[in-house]
Amino acid sequence: QVQLQESGPGLVKTWETLSLTCAVSGSSISSGYYWGWIRQPPGKGLEWIGSMYHSGTTYCNPSLKSRVSISIDTSKNQFSLKLSSVTAADTAVYYCARPDNINSGGDFQHWGQGTLVTVSS
Amino acid sequence: VLTQSPATLSLFPGESATLSCRASQSVATYLAWYQQKPGQAPRLLIYAASSRAAGIPARFSGSGSGTDFTLTISSLETEDFAVYYCQHRINWPLTFGGGTKVEIK
Repeated sequence: QVQLQESGPGLVKTWETLSLTCAVSGSSISSGYYWGWIRQPPGKGLEWIGSMYHSGTTYCNPSLKSRVSISIDTSKNQFSLKLSSVTAADTAVYYCARPDNINSGGDFQHWGQGTLVTVSS
Repeated sequence: VLTQSPATLSLFPGESATLSCRASQSVATYLAWYQQKPGQAPRLLIYAASSRAAGIPARFSGSGSGTDFTLTISSLETEDFAVYYCQHRINWPLTFGGGTKVEIK
């Protein structure tokens, strides 16, 4: 059973870097799949942030691209998100997710429970 | 861009719900539907426009291809009142629709 668990600070100061980690169990992060990050501002819809293939190939939302970094740590079976120069607009629940289809970049079957990150000065 | 309509759907339990997702350009059948309840992560319902994900009841069905897609819930149960999102994966960047809230009338 695939399980994902986000972790990281719940409060980040304006203009600093948001850093989150997604711990994966029940699936080897190096066995394939696109590992994704999605966020949801309070009361709003879902926004895809980016996805990383196990090989290291990364795709990011163009609206965030210059600020986003996604990495994989195979030794810890986890992947991470860094978002730099955050503002209040980056306040959101951040989810990590994975499709069931090894060749699919979307169709997210498995999700973490989400973690709320608030950006404030 | 994915545009969902209506924004809100008010229905009685037992009624049928029809949700629409329109793409600004063809996404073939690379379209998924999710259900989200308050305080929960989204749940994949439909992938490839019409295939039900594992464990999804048969009352949920998806149809469409190209630019016009529909999610139908044949007989609403109380647990179906939630927000529904569509999402394409034909290319990067992935995008989600704005969502349709299905509420109890």
